[in-house]
Amino acid sequence: AQSVTQLDSQVPVFEEAPVELRCNYSSSVSVYLFWYVQYPNQGLQLLLKYLSGSTLVKGINGFEAEFNKSQTSFHLRKPSVHISDTAEYFCAVSEDSWGKLQFGAGTQVVVTP
Amino acid sequence: DTEVTQTPKHLVMGMTNKKSLKCEQHMGHRAMYWYKQKAKKPPELMFVYSYEKLSINESVPSRFSPECPNSSLLNLHLHALQPEDSALYLCASSQERSQPQHFGDGTRLSIL
Repeated sequence: AQSVTQLDSQVPVFEEAPVELRCNYSSSVSVYLFWYVQYPNQGLQLLLKYLSGSTLVKGINGFEAEFNKSQTSFHLRKPSVHISDTAEYFCAVSEDSWGKLQFGAGTQVVVTP
Repeated sequence: DTEVTQTPKHLVMGMTNKKSLKCEQHMGHRAMYWYKQKAKKPPELMFVYSYEKLSINESVPSRFSPECPNSSLLNLHLHALQPEDSALYLCASSQERSQPQHFGDGTRLSIL
């Protein structure tokens, strides 16, 4: 069975500083990997996805993530954050064609001036 | 702007009421999903529809009844809910079940 671990429940960061959100997964088969962002009182927005191919994935709003199969990780990075990046970020894994997404517990990013 | 539209945005109901949540997408997606999200928690999958047929029911109590009238619409019928059912209910859709899911903004449900 698949599982997803987001190692940090909250990450405080100053505006214009870089940020990295960590995500590790466990699965015995090939997986699809996703990062979603949830702003207050909104649904989830897809930031980026890894389905196959290049292990460095670029997404929206300047975010990127790297799939590392040997370390079973899919960490999210942004070189310079804005106040508007304050939100909850979820890593998610799907290991089958049934569409069952397993979410991590989430990481709250708080950007301050 | 979200391409998955959920109505209503907010719903308050008593434990004996019957209500329905509605979800609509016009992206031609053939898979649709219902999730439940409690505060400060990740979404939990409830149901998956693929090509208008129910393919996954994650052992959801029968007081929640999903319906997919056509490929663009997904309903969730609610009856005799409990206070612990208060949550944000999210709908999502994807081209196929293995493809990225697009979420609506949800219906915030409160059970009195």
